[in-house]
Order: sequence, then C-alpha cells, then structure tokens
Amino acid sequence: GAGVSQSPRYKVAKRGQDVALRCDPISGHVSLFWYQQALGQGPEFLTYFQNEAQLDKSGLPSDRFFAERPEGSVSTLKIQRTQQEDSAVYLCASSPSSRGYEQYFGPGTRLTVT
Amino acid sequence: QKEVEQNSGPLSVPEGAIASLNCTYSDRGSQSFFWYRQYSGKSPELIMFIYSNGDKEDGRFTAQLNKASQYVSLLIRDSQPSDSATYLCAVSSERGAQKLVFGQGTRLTINP
Repeated sequence: GAGVSQSPRYKVAKRGQDVALRCDPISGHVSLFWYQQALGQGPEFLTYFQNEAQLDKSGLPSDRFFAERPEGSVSTLKIQRTQQEDSAVYLCASSPSSRGYEQYFGPGTRLTVT
Repeated sequence: QKEVEQNSGPLSVPEGAIASLNCTYSDRGSQSFFWYRQYSGKSPELIMFIYSNGDKEDGRFTAQLNKASQYVSLLIRDSQPSDSATYLCAVSSERGAQKLVFGQGTRLTINP
C-alpha cells in the first residue's frame, strides 16, 4: 500500500521567506509526527498530532514554526521568516497507534535557506 | 550527556560476519526501543522494536535490551553489503508518550 508522502521533496528559500511543507500520512493512521534532521545527526522531534489535535509541540524551535492537521489527515508544517539555521531535512512519520509506537517515515523535504 | 548515545562509527564488518551495534540511554523511565535503518539520502526505515528485557529475533536481526544497564543493542547475522547504512537507535521516553528520541546513528559498512 501507499506509504507516507511528503511534498515538495526539495525546497530552496531565500532568508526571510515563508515556506509550507506538506505530509500525507498512511491512510487511517491516527498519529502524525514531524521531525527535523540535520546532516549527520538523528531526527529531532518537533511536534505530534493525534487525529486533528496537536498534543505535543514541545520540539518546535521557535514561534516561527507552526503545524496543523485540520481534518486529522494531511498535515502542513509552516516556517515563517526562514533563517539559515532552518536548513535541514524535515521528516513526517505516521503511526496506526494512538501511542505512536512503530512510526513510519516519509521521504522527507530537504529545505535549504540561502 | 545526550539522552541517547551511539558510537558514530564508521563500523566496518566483513561480509558474512556478525555486526554489533550498541546504544545507551539516560532516562530510566524509557519503555520502548526502536532500531531504524537509514540509507544515504533516504528516510529512516523501522527494522526492529523491543519493549521487554531480553532478546528479540527477527530473521537475521536480534535486538537485545538490558534496562538495568540502560543498554540496547542490535546484532546483524550473516552481514550483507546491502546492510551498509546508518543505524539509528530511538527511545520512547515515557510509557504512553509518543515522541521518539534518536541517537546520532552508527554508520555501518559491510565489506565484500
């Protein structure tokens, strides 16, 4: 079956621009996660949704980062006024479990801020 | 001290040998442990998870957990060149909590 999909796969933004990254989870998966992965590092948690409710946003690095999942399916991660330190791969993962066990990752969006 | 620590490697193992990957974690309340494989330029792929002390085997992979020592390992038997990748250890920090805390990964190379 179809896995987690993300778009765009690559995004180049000029410093100060706003960007929106999209995640389509596996159909029927309750839980959705966003992670940020810097080069040579493991993914770092950003935020978590159970259906449409954002239950944990403790990993969002600043108030420039905003995520939503209004209908409990597709999610969007928005970054306002991008900075160079925002350059990273943004990974979306979904899980069939409300506890988030067994998370399945999408291909990621590589964001480069110039 | 990082919450989840792995040796970044690279770890080089001859084809057909056993590759042993190790991970330690700092939160004694951790309940769930995961191993992900990540090929260069690709996203992490879940290969094993373990919740209880002891060993869990799945094909050529064995995950080992020792909560008293706060240590989890992954053994890969009969290593193949296709096993060459970065292996990420991830820990769920509280029972019922959902976020995963990852180590920085160990780069494994299997030499033919």
